Amino acid sequence: GQQVMQIPQYQHVQEGEDFTTYCNSSTTLSNIQWYKQRPGGHPVFLIQLVKSGEVKKQKRLTFQFGEAKKNSSLHITATQTTDVGTYFCAGLRKETSYDKVIFGPGTSLSVIP
Amino acid sequence: DAGITQSPRYKITETGRQVTLMCHQTWSHSYMFWYRQDLGHGLRLIYYSAAADITDKGEVPDGYVVSRSKTENFPLTLESATRSQTSVYFCASSEIGEWGGYTFGSGTRLTVV
Repeated sequence: GQQVMQIPQYQHVQEGEDFTTYCNSSTTLSNIQWYKQRPGGHPVFLIQLVKSGEVKKQKRLTFQFGEAKKNSSLHITATQTTDVGTYFCAGLRKETSYDKVIFGPGTSLSVIP
Repeated sequence: DAGITQSPRYKITETGRQVTLMCHQTWSHSYMFWYRQDLGHGLRLIYYSAAADITDKGEVPDGYVVSRSKTENFPLTLESATRSQTSVYFCASSEIGEWGGYTFGSGTRLTVV
């Protein structure tokens, strides 16, 4: 089953409203990456967080990695129609002999103009 | 993302047939990956490769075969296609593996009838 969860599964917002998606892991992660996939498109890498409590910003997007390195969030301020798409988190988990990237199921964002 | 190319873009095949999906990257990235994307399952890793002639199974490898004789190519073969393999297949590459963001190709939408 899924070991990296994302909530909500879907979110509809009015243009200009804020949006947040949350990513939660049952185990500690070495890093977390975020991707955006436009409808009919392919995932596009947005950012990687590595340190506990790390916060990074990209224009209207703010990414945060939790203190325990088990959760992360992506916050978009004042959404625009160009923000439409599915946002995936991907956590890197250390296995016994290798590192394993686990993608969350994604949060689909719709923006109503 | 012009540096990673998947072909064909769309494919319809019959149950039992062998089909090969192609992936070519121009960056000389060491790491390459094959994912399938299905509603309700997100992105699941089929196979990955850390270098030419080195491949390993991912989460859902059954029914698939890969090879990597050259760094730039990573074809995925369905030995005997089944309806459950109807999916969107994404190839991805990364310079430093799981510690760097992945660059995805545009995907191949495969339908098995």
